[in-house]
Amino acid sequence: GAGVSQSPRYKVAKRGQDVALRCDPISGHVSLFWYQQALGQGPEFLTYFQNEAQLDKSGLPSDRFFAERPEGSVSTLKIQRTQQEDSAVYLCASSSDRGNNSPLHFGNGTRLTVT
Amino acid sequence: GDSVTQMEGPVTLSEEAFLTINCTYTATGYPSLFWYVQYPGEGLQLLLKATKADDKGSNKGFEATYRKETTSFHLEKGSVQVSDSAVYFCALSGNYGNNRLAFGKGNQVVVIP
Repeated sequence: GAGVSQSPRYKVAKRGQDVALRCDPISGHVSLFWYQQALGQGPEFLTYFQNEAQLDKSGLPSDRFFAERPEGSVSTLKIQRTQQEDSAVYLCASSSDRGNNSPLHFGNGTRLTVT
Repeated sequence: GDSVTQMEGPVTLSEEAFLTINCTYTATGYPSLFWYVQYPGEGLQLLLKATKADDKGSNKGFEATYRKETTSFHLEKGSVQVSDSAVYFCALSGNYGNNRLAFGKGNQVVVIP
């Protein structure tokens, strides 16, 4: 496909369960970002990859959140022992260069509901 | 840290009305400024951007001017259509050396025929 693809589109988890959210960026895109968007809020930065290297994880809210991009393409965001406050839409975005000259392309997001 | 503030509340207006959505920012250095739009059921899309003071970004009839003196980047459109109904987010890219964005809370715009 031409765009950023995220799966699943919706995820319902019981409190305490682990979840894994997948992002397929646009082929060849170097930079990949994860954002968290709570209801009625703007997206909040979670973490940034340049190829396979996680260069910035300062936005991850706790050590229950973990992200990886082992081969520099697909990325997975994992949340362990989910809590109700983790309920949000998780957005993935990619861009073609390392700097800020090319636009970010966003996926449609994964809506996580923790019950 | 870097932050973006958008006017409170949804915006409801009639077709062909004038639209303004206010956006102010706080940042060190010289950020780039953006407006993103999220149509129902779709992902965030870049609407327009400006990379330096006094630049005007424009697209699809929307405009915004980078005002460093007032730290603002207000979005305007002279005559809205029903198809402009969406959520609009103001954002900035600071001095991180990459495309990391700080977003405002967004404004829901509803255009009534």
